[in-house]
Amino acid sequence: NAGVTQTPKFRVLKTGQSMTLLCAQDMNHEYMYWYRQDPGMGLRLIHYSVGEGTTAKGEVPDGYNVSRLKKQNFLLGLESAAPSQTSVYFCASSSGTSGETQYFGPGTRLLVL
Amino acid sequence: KQEVTQIPAALSVPEGENLVLNCSFTDSAIYNLQWFRQDPGKGLTSLLLIQSSQREQTSGRLNASLDKSSGRSTLYIAASQPGDSATYLCAVSYTNAGKSTFGDGTTLTVKP
Repeated sequence: NAGVTQTPKFRVLKTGQSMTLLCAQDMNHEYMYWYRQDPGMGLRLIHYSVGEGTTAKGEVPDGYNVSRLKKQNFLLGLESAAPSQTSVYFCASSSGTSGETQYFGPGTRLLVL
Repeated sequence: KQEVTQIPAALSVPEGENLVLNCSFTDSAIYNLQWFRQDPGKGLTSLLLIQSSQREQTSGRLNASLDKSSGRSTLYIAASQPGDSATYLCAVSYTNAGKSTFGDGTTLTVKP
């Protein structure tokens, strides 16, 4: 049981390049989330999904797109990376059941030059 | 907009001390509140989750309390150890969709 995994662990992009971050969970969770963590700003929700085939915007969705084609995977895309998207990205999942916590992945460090 | 504030931002204590970390939130209509631990360069690990109907939760040396009316939660750590050194984050959810608003965290250093 690997829990929540994220690929890649670290990436450097040039402004304007695109990339996709992959999150996978093996706990059969319905809900999945993408957060970004920046110094002094805590974790902020980018997008989330309450089930396969569904996505919704979080607090800071601009510049990102997501897809949940399979229940176990949640992809975060950057179509045209900007330096402001330099951050640490965390994926999380939860069952949605009352009293159940979110499980976080180890994070992806992204540097946009 | 819901806001979550954690005070202090940093705390340094000698080993063995009991300590309290604070979390305050602006909207009292919460679904649940969680305390997480984050080690440098790592993801978040859930410590305790308090549902809106509960007043406190305990796990080992950790005790978290919730006072919705005042918009506050505290995390009490008993007999602190150097291994407790980490950043502690408070997260508040307002729906069962699990979307959470996080505080900026309190960075704890426990000195041997």
